[in-house]
Amino acid sequence: GAVVSQHPSWVICKSGTSVKIECRSLDFQATTMFWYRQFPKQSLMLMATSNEGSKATYEQGVEKDKFLINHASLTLSTLTVTSAHPEDSSFYICSAHRTINTGELFFGEGSRLTVL
Amino acid sequence: SQKIEQNSEALNIQEGKTATLTCNYTNYSPAYLQWYRQDPGRGPVFLLLIRENEKEKRKERLKVTFDTTLKQSLFHITASQPADSATYLCALDMDNNDMRFGAGTRLTVKP
Repeated sequence: GAVVSQHPSWVICKSGTSVKIECRSLDFQATTMFWYRQFPKQSLMLMATSNEGSKATYEQGVEKDKFLINHASLTLSTLTVTSAHPEDSSFYICSAHRTINTGELFFGEGSRLTVL
Repeated sequence: SQKIEQNSEALNIQEGKTATLTCNYTNYSPAYLQWYRQDPGRGPVFLLLIRENEKEKRKERLKVTFDTTLKQSLFHITASQPADSATYLCALDMDNNDMRFGAGTRLTVKP
């Protein structure tokens, strides 16, 4: 079964509103989680690395004030898209390593965001 | 910066044939390389990991090779089935378990 769960799986919002996406590790503790964005027919683009108890590390070109990441517990990371615009419409996916140094990433089911 | 190229955006083959997908990279020597399967509207699912000191890895009908000299990995699906139709992503370990993904190859297996 799934080991990483995302919620919601899809969301539609109005331009200018904020949307929160949750990523949970179900049967393990994840000190680090990764957030990706994927546009149609394109690859996963790493947005940021979420670190439990500390600030997230953002990739170059990703606005930290627009994509707020909170990793307050060992099983939950949240991504908030603030003041969403239509160009933020995308597929957002989180992932985590179940065991440190195994390499294998477990992904959530993804969250489809549509901004009207 | 690291560049990851997967040979083609789409690959169509006949059921029963072997599908071969290519992943090439530049500017970095990863400690390991992974292959994932992604179905439309879903998150990727891990398939295989191969380390830099391994030439080949097998799992059921899947086979992965890793040539660190050519900076290339080949992903084979033997006796392909329509259910194998999906997008296949290669991913490289950059450092500290930070993985970077190729754009993927969309495989279609026709009955």
